[in-house]
Amino acid sequence: DAGITQSPRHKVTETGTPVTLRCHQTENHRYMYWYRQDPGHGLRLIHYSYGVKDTDKGEVSDGYSVSRSKTEDFLLTLESATSSQTSVYFCAISEGSGGRHNEQFFGPGTRLTVL
Amino acid sequence: AQSVTQPDIHITVSEGASLELRCNYSYGATPYLFWYVQSPGQGLQLLLKYFSGDTLVQGIKGFEAEFKRSQSSFNLRKPSVHWSDAAEYFCAGEAAGNKLTFGGGTRVLVKP
Repeated sequence: DAGITQSPRHKVTETGTPVTLRCHQTENHRYMYWYRQDPGHGLRLIHYSYGVKDTDKGEVSDGYSVSRSKTEDFLLTLESATSSQTSVYFCAISEGSGGRHNEQFFGPGTRLTVL
Repeated sequence: AQSVTQPDIHITVSEGASLELRCNYSYGATPYLFWYVQSPGQGLQLLLKYFSGDTLVQGIKGFEAEFKRSQSSFNLRKPSVHWSDAAEYFCAGEAAGNKLTFGGGTRVLVKP
């Protein structure tokens, strides 16, 4: 299995509080991604990173920010959590060097509940 | 806009029977295509991938998929399912920029 860990694995929080989720990789892959998974929607890309300090928005980025200060860590922050952000969040990594190296490897997920 | 569609939300199949999961894509050019499987409470595991060349792709766990450009499809098949194949399956496509677009998923139930 690819070396990807997510923390915390479960979190319950209240509306309006800030939340930070962490993704850590030991594969030295260039690309890192944050997705959310909701029933009927599959996985939707929130933000991604193509290098240290290089990030870009995905299709559902509103209400989320990210940071990547080291190759191995990619943080997802909900500045002020809302109930609509209750979801399962997955981190993924890829080498990103094109072609057959573009497959993504996924972490175990973080279940976030916003009350 | 780029999209991946899985028309079947749920499929129930008897153990030992064959399985086919449908996936259709809408891209300007032929994307890279992937099938992932997710067991309950787990992350996603790559089953197989198509980049170019042979349109019949073999994957892990006895799965295969066939790319059909004329139908914009990439259907997943398994000749004989096992109870352990009960899971949710996701088709995904990548056109450019190292970003995947996922279908909504198909949940497979296996009857004994």
